[in-house]
Amino acid sequence: DVKVTQSSRYLVKRTGEKVFLECVQDMDHENMFWYRQDPGLGLRLIYFSYDVKMKEKGDIPEGYSVSREKKERFSLILESASTNQTSMYLCASRTLGFSLGASATNEGYTFGSGTRLTVV
Amino acid sequence: GQNIDQPTEMTATEGAIVQINCTYQTSGFNGLFWYQQHAGEAPTFLSYNVLDGLEEKGRFSSFLSRSKGYSYLLLKELQMKDSASYLCAVKGQAGTALIFGKGTTLSVSS
Repeated sequence: DVKVTQSSRYLVKRTGEKVFLECVQDMDHENMFWYRQDPGLGLRLIYFSYDVKMKEKGDIPEGYSVSREKKERFSLILESASTNQTSMYLCASRTLGFSLGASATNEGYTFGSGTRLTVV
Repeated sequence: GQNIDQPTEMTATEGAIVQINCTYQTSGFNGLFWYQQHAGEAPTFLSYNVLDGLEEKGRFSSFLSRSKGYSYLLLKELQMKDSASYLCAVKGQAGTALIFGKGTTLSVSS
Protein backbone atom coordinates (compact mmCIF):
# COMPACT_ATOMS: atom_id res chain seq x y z
CA ASP A 1 0.00 0.00 0.00
CA VAL A 2 1.08 3.55 -0.68
CA LYS A 3 2.06 5.35 2.42
CA VAL A 4 1.86 9.10 2.77
CA THR A 5 3.33 10.15 6.08
CA GLN A 6 2.93 13.54 7.70
CA SER A 7 5.53 14.15 10.36
CA SER A 8 3.24 15.53 13.05
CA ARG A 9 -0.35 14.75 13.96
CA TYR A 10 -0.75 17.78 16.23
CA LEU A 11 1.26 20.99 16.40
CA VAL A 12 0.93 24.13 18.48
CA LYS A 13 2.91 27.16 17.33
CA ARG A 14 3.08 30.80 18.29
CA THR A 15 2.08 33.70 16.08
CA GLY A 16 5.02 34.83 13.97
CA GLU A 17 6.89 31.54 14.08
CA LYS A 18 8.15 29.91 10.91
CA VAL A 19 6.48 26.51 10.66
CA PHE A 20 7.47 23.52 8.56
CA LEU A 21 4.97 20.74 7.78
CA GLU A 22 6.61 17.68 6.26
CA CYS A 23 5.09 15.06 3.99
CA VAL A 24 6.82 11.93 2.69
CA GLN A 25 5.47 9.30 0.28
CA ASP A 26 7.07 5.96 -0.46
CA MET A 27 5.70 5.06 -3.92
CA ASP A 28 7.69 7.28 -6.26
CA HIS A 29 4.64 9.42 -7.02
CA GLU A 30 5.26 12.42 -9.24
CA ASN A 31 2.44 14.64 -7.99
CA MET A 32 2.11 15.88 -4.44
CA PHE A 33 -0.43 18.29 -2.94
CA TRP A 34 -1.09 20.34 0.17
CA TYR A 35 -4.67 21.15 1.23
CA ARG A 36 -6.15 22.72 4.30
CA GLN A 37 -9.53 21.64 5.62
CA ASP A 38 -11.79 23.89 7.62
CA PRO A 39 -15.38 23.32 8.83
CA GLY A 40 -17.89 24.57 6.29
CA LEU A 41 -15.18 25.27 3.71
CA GLY A 42 -14.04 21.77 2.77
CA LEU A 43 -10.62 21.02 1.33
CA ARG A 44 -8.89 23.94 -0.30
CA LEU A 45 -5.72 23.58 -2.37
CA ILE A 46 -2.70 25.53 -1.15
CA TYR A 47 0.09 24.33 -3.44
CA PHE A 48 0.91 21.35 -5.58
CA SER A 49 4.00 19.94 -7.24
CA TYR A 50 4.26 18.01 -10.50
CA ASP A 51 7.77 16.79 -9.85
CA VAL A 52 11.00 17.64 -8.10
CA LYS A 53 11.64 21.39 -7.87
CA MET A 54 8.34 22.12 -9.64
CA LYS A 55 5.48 23.85 -7.85
CA GLU A 56 2.19 25.51 -8.69
CA LYS A 57 0.02 27.79 -6.59
CA GLY A 58 -3.38 26.51 -5.66
CA ASP A 59 -6.43 28.50 -4.62
CA ILE A 60 -5.09 29.90 -1.32
CA PRO A 61 -1.27 30.21 -1.46
CA GLU A 62 -1.00 33.46 0.47
CA GLY A 63 1.13 33.09 3.59
CA TYR A 64 2.53 29.74 2.48
CA SER A 65 5.45 28.44 0.46
CA VAL A 66 6.59 24.95 -0.46
CA SER A 67 9.74 22.99 -1.13
CA ARG A 68 10.26 19.82 -3.17
CA GLU A 69 13.97 19.02 -3.28
CA LYS A 70 13.45 15.25 -3.42
CA LYS A 71 10.69 13.32 -5.13
CA GLU A 72 9.44 11.68 -1.96
CA ARG A 73 9.23 14.81 0.20
CA PHE A 74 6.97 17.85 -0.10
CA SER A 75 7.23 20.49 2.60
CA LEU A 76 4.72 23.22 3.41
CA ILE A 77 6.17 26.33 5.02
CA LEU A 78 4.25 28.96 6.93
CA GLU A 79 6.60 31.93 6.72
CA SER A 80 5.09 33.74 9.70
CA ALA A 81 2.29 31.80 11.34
CA SER A 82 -0.94 33.60 12.07
CA THR A 83 -4.04 32.56 13.99
CA ASN A 84 -6.07 32.32 10.78
CA GLN A 85 -3.77 29.50 9.69
CA THR A 86 -5.09 27.30 12.48
CA SER A 87 -6.46 24.37 10.50
CA MET A 88 -6.16 20.71 9.51
CA TYR A 89 -3.47 20.32 6.84
CA LEU A 90 -3.66 17.35 4.51
CA CYS A 91 -0.94 16.14 2.18
CA ALA A 92 -1.71 13.86 -0.77
CA SER A 93 0.20 12.19 -3.57
CA ARG A 94 -0.68 10.70 -6.95
CA THR A 95 1.16 8.95 -9.71
CA LEU A 96 1.00 10.19 -13.28
CA GLY A 97 0.46 6.73 -14.65
CA PHE A 98 -3.20 5.69 -14.86
CA SER A 99 -5.57 4.03 -17.28
CA LEU A 100 -8.23 6.01 -19.10
CA GLY A 101 -11.76 4.83 -19.63
CA ALA A 102 -12.68 2.16 -17.15
CA SER A 103 -12.98 2.75 -13.46
CA ALA A 104 -9.93 1.94 -11.43
CA THR A 105 -9.27 0.90 -7.90
CA ASN A 106 -7.60 4.18 -7.15
CA GLU A 107 -7.23 6.89 -9.75
CA GLY A 108 -7.22 9.62 -7.17
CA TYR A 109 -5.13 10.67 -4.25
CA THR A 110 -3.63 8.90 -1.33
CA PHE A 111 -3.84 11.16 1.69
CA GLY A 112 -1.67 11.45 4.74
CA SER A 113 -3.27 11.34 8.19
CA GLY A 114 -3.26 15.11 8.49
CA THR A 115 -1.62 17.63 10.79
CA ARG A 116 -3.85 19.66 13.05
CA LEU A 117 -2.04 22.96 13.51
CA THR A 118 -3.03 25.44 16.18
CA VAL A 119 -1.47 28.90 16.09
CA VAL A 120 -1.76 30.79 19.37
CA GLY B 1 -15.67 29.85 -11.98
CA GLN B 2 -15.44 26.30 -10.68
CA ASN B 3 -18.06 25.02 -8.31
CA ILE B 4 -18.98 21.72 -6.72
CA ASP B 5 -22.19 21.48 -4.71
CA GLN B 6 -23.36 18.77 -2.35
CA PRO B 7 -25.76 18.80 0.60
CA THR B 8 -24.24 19.75 3.93
CA GLU B 9 -25.91 17.10 6.07
CA MET B 10 -28.03 13.98 5.69
CA THR B 11 -29.49 11.52 8.16
CA ALA B 12 -30.63 7.94 7.69
CA THR B 13 -31.32 4.78 9.68
CA GLU B 14 -29.49 1.48 9.75
CA GLY B 15 -30.38 -0.81 6.88
CA ALA B 16 -31.73 2.00 4.72
CA ILE B 17 -30.49 3.34 1.37
CA VAL B 18 -29.18 6.89 1.01
CA GLN B 19 -28.23 8.87 -2.08
CA ILE B 20 -25.78 11.76 -1.84
CA ASN B 21 -25.91 14.10 -4.81
CA CYS B 22 -23.12 16.20 -6.28
CA THR B 23 -23.35 18.78 -9.05
CA TYR B 24 -20.33 20.39 -10.62
CA GLN B 25 -19.28 23.17 -12.94
CA THR B 26 -15.60 23.01 -13.81
CA SER B 27 -13.18 24.02 -16.54
CA GLY B 28 -12.75 20.69 -18.25
CA PHE B 29 -13.58 17.26 -16.89
CA ASN B 30 -11.27 14.32 -16.38
CA GLY B 31 -13.07 12.30 -13.75
CA LEU B 32 -15.13 12.50 -10.58
CA PHE B 33 -14.14 10.96 -7.26
CA TRP B 34 -15.92 10.13 -4.03
CA TYR B 35 -14.05 9.93 -0.73
CA GLN B 36 -15.15 8.92 2.74
CA GLN B 37 -13.75 10.74 5.75
CA HIS B 38 -14.36 9.76 9.36
CA ALA B 39 -13.95 12.46 11.98
CA GLY B 40 -10.30 13.23 12.67
CA GLU B 41 -9.06 10.94 9.92
CA ALA B 42 -7.78 11.29 6.37
CA PRO B 43 -10.14 10.90 3.40
CA THR B 44 -10.15 7.43 1.87
CA PHE B 45 -10.94 6.67 -1.76
CA LEU B 46 -14.37 5.18 -2.54
CA SER B 47 -14.99 5.48 -6.27
CA TYR B 48 -14.01 7.04 -9.56
CA ASN B 49 -16.21 7.77 -12.61
CA VAL B 50 -14.97 9.16 -15.87
CA LEU B 51 -17.65 7.75 -18.22
CA ASP B 52 -21.41 8.12 -17.88
CA GLY B 53 -23.18 5.40 -15.99
CA LEU B 54 -23.19 3.47 -12.77
CA GLU B 55 -20.18 1.91 -11.07
CA GLU B 56 -20.97 -0.60 -8.35
CA LYS B 57 -18.62 -1.70 -5.58
CA GLY B 58 -20.31 -3.78 -2.94
CA ARG B 59 -22.72 -1.66 -0.88
CA PHE B 60 -21.55 1.53 -2.59
CA SER B 61 -22.40 2.69 -6.11
CA SER B 62 -21.54 5.89 -7.92
CA PHE B 63 -23.29 7.39 -10.93
CA LEU B 64 -22.13 10.03 -13.39
CA SER B 65 -23.90 12.12 -16.03
CA ARG B 66 -21.38 14.37 -17.73
CA SER B 67 -24.00 16.20 -19.80
CA LYS B 68 -25.81 17.21 -16.61
CA GLY B 69 -22.70 17.81 -14.52
CA TYR B 70 -24.17 15.46 -11.95
CA SER B 71 -23.11 12.51 -9.85
CA TYR B 72 -24.49 10.61 -6.91
CA LEU B 73 -23.12 8.18 -4.37
CA LEU B 74 -25.56 5.46 -3.33
CA LEU B 75 -25.05 3.65 -0.05
CA LYS B 76 -27.13 0.53 0.57
CA GLU B 77 -27.76 -1.48 3.73
CA LEU B 78 -26.49 1.36 5.85
CA GLN B 79 -24.42 0.55 8.90
CA MET B 80 -23.50 2.72 11.87
CA LYS B 81 -19.90 2.76 10.66
CA ASP B 82 -21.05 4.58 7.51
CA SER B 83 -21.52 7.72 9.62
CA ALA B 84 -18.88 9.98 8.09
CA SER B 85 -18.34 12.86 5.71
CA TYR B 86 -18.53 12.09 2.00
CA LEU B 87 -16.48 14.26 -0.32
CA CYS B 88 -17.16 14.76 -4.01
CA ALA B 89 -14.11 15.85 -6.03
CA VAL B 90 -13.59 16.62 -9.71
CA LYS B 91 -10.45 16.54 -11.80
CA GLY B 92 -10.91 19.41 -14.22
CA GLN B 93 -8.29 20.09 -16.82
CA ALA B 94 -5.63 17.44 -17.32
CA GLY B 95 -2.65 17.92 -15.07
CA THR B 96 -4.50 19.91 -12.46
CA ALA B 97 -5.35 19.13 -8.88
CA LEU B 98 -8.66 17.75 -7.62
CA ILE B 99 -11.31 20.28 -6.71
CA PHE B 100 -13.36 19.25 -3.69
CA GLY B 101 -16.91 20.00 -2.66
CA LYS B 102 -17.49 20.99 0.96
CA GLY B 103 -18.56 17.50 1.91
CA THR B 104 -21.77 15.88 3.12
CA THR B 105 -21.95 14.71 6.73
CA LEU B 106 -24.03 11.54 6.95
CA SER B 107 -25.40 10.43 10.32
CA VAL B 108 -26.69 6.88 10.57
CA SER B 109 -28.90 6.06 13.55
CA SER B 110 -30.25 2.77 14.86
